[in-house]
Amino acid sequence: EAGVTQSPTHLIKTRGQQATLRCSPISGHTSVYWYQQALGLGLQFLLWYDEGEERNRGNFPPRFSGRQFPNYSSELNVNALELEDSALYLCASRKQLDYGYTFGSGTRLTVV
Amino acid sequence: QKEVEQDPGPLSVPEGAIVSLNCTYSNSAFQYFMWYRQYSRKGPELLMYTYSSGNKEDGRFTAQVDKSSKYISLFIRDSQPSDSATYLCASGGYQKVTFGTGTKLQVIP
Repeated sequence: EAGVTQSPTHLIKTRGQQATLRCSPISGHTSVYWYQQALGLGLQFLLWYDEGEERNRGNFPPRFSGRQFPNYSSELNVNALELEDSALYLCASRKQLDYGYTFGSGTRLTVV
Repeated sequence: QKEVEQDPGPLSVPEGAIVSLNCTYSNSAFQYFMWYRQYSRKGPELLMYTYSSGNKEDGRFTAQVDKSSKYISLFIRDSQPSDSATYLCASGGYQKVTFGTGTKLQVIP
């Protein structure tokens, strides 16, 4: 069974640009979560998508947005990039009525 | 106050030692509790989860939850160098899971 896959692995952007990160959940998993892991800050919850809808949002500005497609894959968009957006962005998926998340290996975003 | 507090370590132990990792949480609404292991430059890997007070054992790993004191622990028996990683405690519900900042563990051969 394929795990959670994220692309790209690394992304380098200039301040002010937009970044798009992609996530494919495990087959059969309908929920997708996005987390930001910045150095020294731990995992910070960004967004939860389930059945194509945004269900919950963390304490991040609106320039962090995303969507979930009919095949349950998801996209995270970060507009107007700032230097402090540099972090590892992790996607996780969960099967309905299950508890544990399965994480991908992440996309390392560097803003210069 | 952070919703999940975890001692960042680092924690260094000799091979074969028993390791105790601890967290506290503040939100009484949290329904379930998890431990993740994260190797450098990798995503976190789920080790165990539980939703009730008490102990849950899986091989060399035992997770312990005390809801009355809002305390979460992970014990690793017969620690191995391959256990060297950052361990993250987490708690929450379906809507969101809150993670501790992680404890970095090094098991020395």
